[in-house]
Amino acid sequence: ETGVTQTPRHLVMGMTNKKSLKCEQHLGHNAMYWYKQSAKKPLELMFVYNFKEQTENNSVPSRFSPECPNSSHLFLHLHTLQPEDSALYLCASSQARDAGNTIYFGEGSWLTVV
Amino acid sequence: QKEVEQDPGPLSVPEGAIVSLNCTYSNSAFQYFMWYRQYSRKGPELLMYTYSSGNKEDGRFTAQVDKSSKYISLFIRDSQPSDSATYLCARARTGNQFYFGTGTSLTVIP
Repeated sequence: ETGVTQTPRHLVMGMTNKKSLKCEQHLGHNAMYWYKQSAKKPLELMFVYNFKEQTENNSVPSRFSPECPNSSHLFLHLHTLQPEDSALYLCASSQARDAGNTIYFGEGSWLTVV
Repeated sequence: QKEVEQDPGPLSVPEGAIVSLNCTYSNSAFQYFMWYRQYSRKGPELLMYTYSSGNKEDGRFTAQVDKSSKYISLFIRDSQPSDSATYLCARARTGNQFYFGTGTSLTVIP
């Protein structure tokens, strides 16, 4: 496996369900991100982890709960979501350094809340 | 003012045409620029990155940066139907700060 891998690729969940999205990066990076991408909207940064520590929470509702057990793995735990949370959730990784970064994305997890 | 501004299009061109995709940015702090291609229902794929003014070429793709006018462009030569996608421009500042345009939807008509 290379790059950034996300599972599942598609997820349908009810508003009372609990599910998790998983992300694994094979690039040796030490920063990982969750982004939300809704139709006709720009990428929305949700969370940033540097060396397993959360460094940014972009005012995300508590029904989204991230977990980063190590620099290669990132989870997004979902519970009591709303239909407006239906979107493409993208995991990404980069090197955490002062200058000269590129960010690499996974294929995304398509979430539909019914 | 947004960090990165991008014309959303949509842009429709005939096969073989030269495509020009453009973005402007507002902040002159350390700059590292990227272009991504995103096919429908897929994640963004990194196409090119550069940090200097001027042109960088990779096959049919050329990324151009003009720091004096804060303008970045992506040119696609001999466009193909497989180039039909949404193209995102992005810039990186220090650390983990990335700013993305809204994306330009491109359709190349056979």
